[in-house]
Amino acid sequence: DVKVTQSSRYLVKRTGEKVFLECVQDMDHENMFWYRQDPGLGLRLIYFSYDVKMKEKGDIPEGYSVSREKKERFSLILESASTNQTSMYLCASSPPLGGRTYFGAGTRLSVL
Amino acid sequence: QKEVEQDPGPLSVPEGAIVSLNCTYSNSAFQYFMWYRQYSRKGPELLMYTYSSGNKEDGRFTAQVDKSSKYISLFIRDSQPSDSATYLCAMSFMEYGNKLVFGAGTILRVKS
Repeated sequence: DVKVTQSSRYLVKRTGEKVFLECVQDMDHENMFWYRQDPGLGLRLIYFSYDVKMKEKGDIPEGYSVSREKKERFSLILESASTNQTSMYLCASSPPLGGRTYFGAGTRLSVL
Repeated sequence: QKEVEQDPGPLSVPEGAIVSLNCTYSNSAFQYFMWYRQYSRKGPELLMYTYSSGNKEDGRFTAQVDKSSKYISLFIRDSQPSDSATYLCAMSFMEYGNKLVFGAGTILRVKS
């Protein structure tokens, strides 16, 4: 069974903290993604990576950075958390072509 | 105009009904089409995956793609209360990186 695992289901952080969200996939996929999901706005792409150490900005990269040191692991970093980053964060992975994309269970982040 | 349009609902049906969910899109270059099911506070789960035009059936679920009309559908037969969820359509181009473009999602409620 395919698996994308996000390290935390729920996180509560203070404004200004540095926050790390971790994601691991076991399908040997080249592509990995970070989305955020907000009511009324749907899923929005933050960053994606198509290979180790490669990254590209998505639609809303401001305030975020990413790291991909190993093929199976993709980390999202909030450099200085703000209240408007309170959201559901979804990690996903896919093969290089073909659309078939699998999601993790999500991390619900609250920034107070 | 959004690239992918999807009626957010909610759509409320009695148990056993046939459900029809739809998306329209504007970019004829989309090649891969997917339907995801998302339960409350969980990540999206890949339900159906189709390449180009045609029909695909999996149990009670049938996905249809009509590229000439830029229209995709998901049919659920003999709907069950456990089908109550948000259904997201998604599509992608034939390109490396494989980014998905999502519809807003339709909330479905199946009443017992």
